[in-house]
Amino acid sequence: EAQVTQNPRYLITVTGKKLTVTCSQNMNHEYMSWYRQDPGLGLRQIYYSMNVEVTDKGDVPEGYKVSRKEKRNFPLILESPSPNQTSLYFCASSLNFGAGNEKLFFGSGTQLSVL
Amino acid sequence: ELKVEQNPLFLSMQEGKNYTIYCNYSTTSDRLYWYRQDPGKSLESLFVLLSNGAVKQEGRLMASLDTKARLSTLHITAAVHDLSATYFCAVDRGNNDMRFGAGTRLTVKP
Repeated sequence: EAQVTQNPRYLITVTGKKLTVTCSQNMNHEYMSWYRQDPGLGLRQIYYSMNVEVTDKGDVPEGYKVSRKEKRNFPLILESPSPNQTSLYFCASSLNFGAGNEKLFFGSGTQLSVL
Repeated sequence: ELKVEQNPLFLSMQEGKNYTIYCNYSTTSDRLYWYRQDPGKSLESLFVLLSNGAVKQEGRLMASLDTKARLSTLHITAAVHDLSATYFCAVDRGNNDMRFGAGTRLTVKP
């Protein structure tokens, strides 16, 4: 089944403890991106990647890192999480965003709480 | 800086009625997207609008794009309860990253 898989689904952590949220897609998509969703703010883009080894900042990249070493994986890394990073996170992918295949497929989300 | 505004933010409507959700954006773009999110769920892509005058329809939903007015509409025809969800528009800022509106929470009542 074609899908975007995020893990974990829920995560509670403490301030300063490094964590990684994984994202994997099995559709051979070139484009992948991360968003955070906060009440009343819609979704805000954190980072995106047009292809392997190519990543760019979105609207709110501060406090986050990403890597794209393989086409299928796009992990989101919080080196030193803070309470203001408590949010619902979504990973998404698209076959070739910006070149006529714009439909985004979203993962099921990761609810992160930083205490 | 690109701003994307949706109106209304909350919409309660009766089954069988028609209504329109508006999405205004502040800078030039010819790529606009609509998504649906059910409570506690992920987002589902509804429409991709890639040029001025684009119109797409699926079931009771129809989306259109006017790039000159910087406006997209999502029209709901003869609403049914199953359409209850939050609807987001999103605009491509031209470098393949997107800005989302705050969302319109639609409730369809019998």
